Amino acid sequence: EVQLVESGGGLVQPGGSLRLSCAASGFTFSSNWMHWVRQVPGEGPVWVSRINSDGNSTRYADSVKGRFTISRDNAKNMLFLQMNSLRAEDTAVYYCATGAGGYYNGWGQGTLVTVSS
Amino acid sequence: EIVLTQSPGTLSLSPGERATLSCRASQSVSSNYLAWYQQKPGQAPRLLIYGASSRATGIPDRFSGSGSGTEFTLTISRLEPEDFAVYYCQQYVTAPFTFGPGTKVDIK
Repeated sequence: EVQLVESGGGLVQPGGSLRLSCAASGFTFSSNWMHWVRQVPGEGPVWVSRINSDGNSTRYADSVKGRFTISRDNAKNMLFLQMNSLRAEDTAVYYCATGAGGYYNGWGQGTLVTVSS
Repeated sequence: EIVLTQSPGTLSLSPGERATLSCRASQSVSSNYLAWYQQKPGQAPRLLIYGASSRATGIPDRFSGSGSGTEFTLTISRLEPEDFAVYYCQQYVTAPFTFGPGTKVDIK
């Protein structure tokens, strides 16, 4: 069974940084593309970033390009999201997710990021 | 970017009734790369349907998906108490993959 556990969320001031982590188990992590998806409570989820299985290809939503960096450590079954220059509009629950072909059949429980002074 | 619109915003029904949820895309979703998710308060979304009509592992057969092109439907044949939740559609044919705003199914 796919298990994904996020950590690293919290309260940060505008302009600050946070690093989210996602620990994966129950599947062959090194074979799967991984994604970060965020959701403001009461709104639909929004895709943020993805990384391919070996980590040499990444892609970002326009809203986070140049500020966020996705990475992975296949030896440790870990996914990361480094978030810099945070803005109020980045406030959301952040999920790591995986699945074949673009839909997501594995989600973590989410970690809340709040950007506020 | 493909924009997804879901209707109605809220659907108020009783257990045992049939629920019909709509998802409309701003452009054609070719190859029926359309998924449906269920989300309950405090939980992550759960995949119900992919490929517009294929049920994910462990999803009861009272959930069914249909449609093509720009019009898709999720049908719950007989609502069980655990089905009252928010439902989202998602397209994965064109990056960025986008979700709809959701339909809330609540108890009448």
